[in-house]
Amino acid sequence: EPEVTQTPSHQVTQMGQEVILRCVPISNHLYFYWYRQILGQKVEFLVSFYNNEISEKSEIFDDQFSVERPDGSNFTLKIRSTKLEDSAMYFCASKTSTLQGTDTQYFGPGTRLTVL
Amino acid sequence: AQKVTQAQTEISVVEKEDVTLDCVYETRDTTYYLFWYKQPPSGELVFLIRRNSFDEQNEISGRYSWNFQKSTSSFNFTITASQVVDSAVYFCALTNTGGFKTIFGAGTRLFVKA
Repeated sequence: EPEVTQTPSHQVTQMGQEVILRCVPISNHLYFYWYRQILGQKVEFLVSFYNNEISEKSEIFDDQFSVERPDGSNFTLKIRSTKLEDSAMYFCASKTSTLQGTDTQYFGPGTRLTVL
Repeated sequence: AQKVTQAQTEISVVEKEDVTLDCVYETRDTTYYLFWYKQPPSGELVFLIRRNSFDEQNEISGRYSWNFQKSTSSFNFTITASQVVDSAVYFCALTNTGGFKTIFGAGTRLFVKA
């Protein structure tokens, strides 16, 4: 069964460094998402992406964050200058269409980001 | 504004007990979608069910059942005859019209003891 994959599974970085989290959505999916989950807390929406542009973003997704679909298969989240509070699990998700929002988002296994 | 409330932070039951996880939502959209996800200790998010706002039929899948009531803006989840493997955090979520944003509740941590 097709699945969303994410790399790396765990990323450790120093405060102020740039990180890129990578996702490979399911191949026929058109809508892509990033979420984050600070340890022990709820899953928070960051951004949705369709047709090579951001569809919607949350207040968390500030100028330090950017997303890109550099080729036909990858979907990346970049954090320009990491802060301690960026430490979290980051989940990528994708779905086939948003026809009346009926399709389900399928989540990747997550990347745990630790900022020291 | 949209909001999902899961008032139960933690629930502990003994194996074979039935347990209901509550979810109350708020939205101004007339069309919306509700979900339940399971997050086991390994951390991944496992899709359990989707319910559309225009379909109030309850659903049963094995030991799992869901009760959707628009009148009370609730979408509750019941596990019958719970098992140790059901131990996880369960999230209720709401997707808006257009499907570009999903809001999650705070989650309910379920402990099932043998």
